[in-house]
Amino acid sequence: GAVVSQHPSRVICKSGTSVKIECRSLDFQATTMFWYRQFPKKSLMLMATSNEGSKATYEQGVEKDKFLINHASLTLSTLTVTSAHPEDSSFYICSASWQALNTEAFFGQGTRLTVV
Amino acid sequence: SQKIEQNSEALNIQEGKTATLTCNYTNYSPAYLQWYRQDPGRGPVFLLLIRENEKEKRKERLKVTFDTTLKQSLFHITASQPADSATYLCALSRGGATNKLIFGTGTLLAVQP
Repeated sequence: GAVVSQHPSRVICKSGTSVKIECRSLDFQATTMFWYRQFPKKSLMLMATSNEGSKATYEQGVEKDKFLINHASLTLSTLTVTSAHPEDSSFYICSASWQALNTEAFFGQGTRLTVV
Repeated sequence: SQKIEQNSEALNIQEGKTATLTCNYTNYSPAYLQWYRQDPGRGPVFLLLIRENEKEKRKERLKVTFDTTLKQSLFHITASQPADSATYLCALSRGGATNKLIFGTGTLLAVQP
């Protein structure tokens, strides 16, 4: 299967700082990437859909100014958590689809963010 | 909005038995229903996809059924092994231009040796 690499896998930052998470599709071109957030023992909550070369589409209740998404190329999408607070601590996961063909999604390994 | 419910309790079974996990949805019938496996601290890994016009799909020891009348999918693991212990997620997609997936709550499966 296709490989999606997410970096970093773990990050600890101080309140008020910003953190950038990268999601790369290594062996295919991802026209669409998705960002999820997952709380302990909970399911994945879709935050936003990222399309290459256009603005991301955010789900209801997700602050777009708080969670900045950039999809500058067909192999890279980034999520920046701005002015992070402890309540932003969570497990963030990206996924990528190939040409949005409604087939399986390929997920990154996730990023554990801890804001102290 | 679509609600997806899976076995809320953890499922404990003995090695060699068949594990059956349930996924129920409440609203529209999805174009696609998928099952993923997630290990602690890792991203989900795709297992099987079934389309709305399909009743059953198999892959090695895995079997998925899809009943659009009952609005339910069943996921079976036959001859279960301790290595099958993980959280299993079902996910629904309406189809269309994007592959937007809505995930269920997940079921934690523990296979005892």
